Amino acid sequence: QQPVQSPQAVILREGEDAVINCSSSKALYSVHWYRQKHGEAPVFLMILLKGGEQKGHEKISASFNEKKQQSSLYLTASQLSYSGTYFCGTEESNFGNEKLTFGTGTRLTIIP
Amino acid sequence: GAGVSQSPSNKVTEKGKDVELRCDPISGHTALYWYRQSLGQGLEFLIYFQGNSAPDKSGLPSDRFSAERTGGSVSTLTIQRTQQEDSAVYLCASSLVGPQRYEQYFGPGTRLTVT
Repeated sequence: QQPVQSPQAVILREGEDAVINCSSSKALYSVHWYRQKHGEAPVFLMILLKGGEQKGHEKISASFNEKKQQSSLYLTASQLSYSGTYFCGTEESNFGNEKLTFGTGTRLTIIP
Repeated sequence: GAGVSQSPSNKVTEKGKDVELRCDPISGHTALYWYRQSLGQGLEFLIYFQGNSAPDKSGLPSDRFSAERTGGSVSTLTIQRTQQEDSAVYLCASSLVGPQRYEQYFGPGTRLTVT
């Protein structure tokens, strides 16, 4: 079953913060985040494994609450280059392989 | 090094024809994935290959779709008797595998248009 992302779309001014949520009805082993710009392939952002680990680099970080089967992506002091569609990919705990089911996507637009 | 490559980049075909889409993964990546992305939509999982294990075909939408991976490297996705609803961008990705998990590297995609 496909994870649900919220919001579906958000418009921010440069420098503002954003939070994108990803929620699954299944027990998860890992959550992956990707960003896709228009007409391009998705690009990897980060992976979180079960254990409530929080990761980040520069101004993009993420958390994973395995009990709630939820992950959140945090973008602080957004830059124009952050524009794009963000997808979470979830890996279920019981499958034993690394197949990802991607969410519905969140379209982020940063305006000057 | 070289990334994931896909060919052709664009394919226009008539309804009812068969098409073959090719993916060359990154050398050494044992996992290979095919996804489909319709205009403005998310990534729909199609099939997953991992080493010598039987592929996970759970995402193939119908028996008109098939895929193979030869020698653990190149993969071909075949769509028989194409329909207009098959029009989409077909993305291939490859990755390493392991308990710590690895990122998927995506190819540029093949844009399929069925007329």
